Amino acid sequence: ILNVEQSPQSLHVQEGDSTNFTCSFPSSNFYALHWYRWETAKSPEALFVMTLNGDEKKKGRISATLNTKEGYSYLYIKGSQPEDSATYLCASPRGAYKYIFGTGTRLKVLA
Amino acid sequence: GAVVSQHPSWVICKSGTSVKIECRSLDFQATTMFWYRQFPKQSLMLMATSNEGSKATYEQGVEKDKFLINHASLTLSTLTVTSAHPEDSSFYICSARPSGSGPYEQYFGPGTRLTVT
Repeated sequence: ILNVEQSPQSLHVQEGDSTNFTCSFPSSNFYALHWYRWETAKSPEALFVMTLNGDEKKKGRISATLNTKEGYSYLYIKGSQPEDSATYLCASPRGAYKYIFGTGTRLKVLA
Repeated sequence: GAVVSQHPSWVICKSGTSVKIECRSLDFQATTMFWYRQFPKQSLMLMATSNEGSKATYEQGVEKDKFLINHASLTLSTLTVTSAHPEDSSFYICSARPSGSGPYEQYFGPGTRLTVT
């Protein structure tokens, strides 16, 4: 994998459902993996920064895992709420500052 | 804390004119700021890295004479799109790295939607 890829591109879930999406990234020369939450007309908000293989991070109902050897990260949302509706971006830096972003997963939680 | 603003949030300009976009860190100083561009259905792409008091570093394929970047203070970076054309219509977003922070810390502005007619 040469780029950062995210799947699915978009999904709709019902309120209360749990969901997850995937970020795939180049496993060579790995530095870190970031997840951002981006609501329309607002600034992307950092959710997690993960650097170590096997890392698991959690913030409320949102959690993420990291596998640097195979080059993927999962983001999980438990009990989705309408306010979770946003685009979730992942990014992996190549070197100190050049971040490669995925195209994002657009989540819509239906009440 | 750690708020970055951008102005304007959207702008429409005529082909051939220039447009300036401001990126400000409101509650912290930022030695380094980054400018990204996003075309529809594509990912954020780094255009340039702006360092206070020095020339910006442009990514391959980004014309430095067309996209002028000025980072004259620790809280303000500007991107000027000169002689804009319709193909420059895009979403431009900046991020700022707090001075003295680690390499993975950056805060984004809300972006600027540029439409060139």
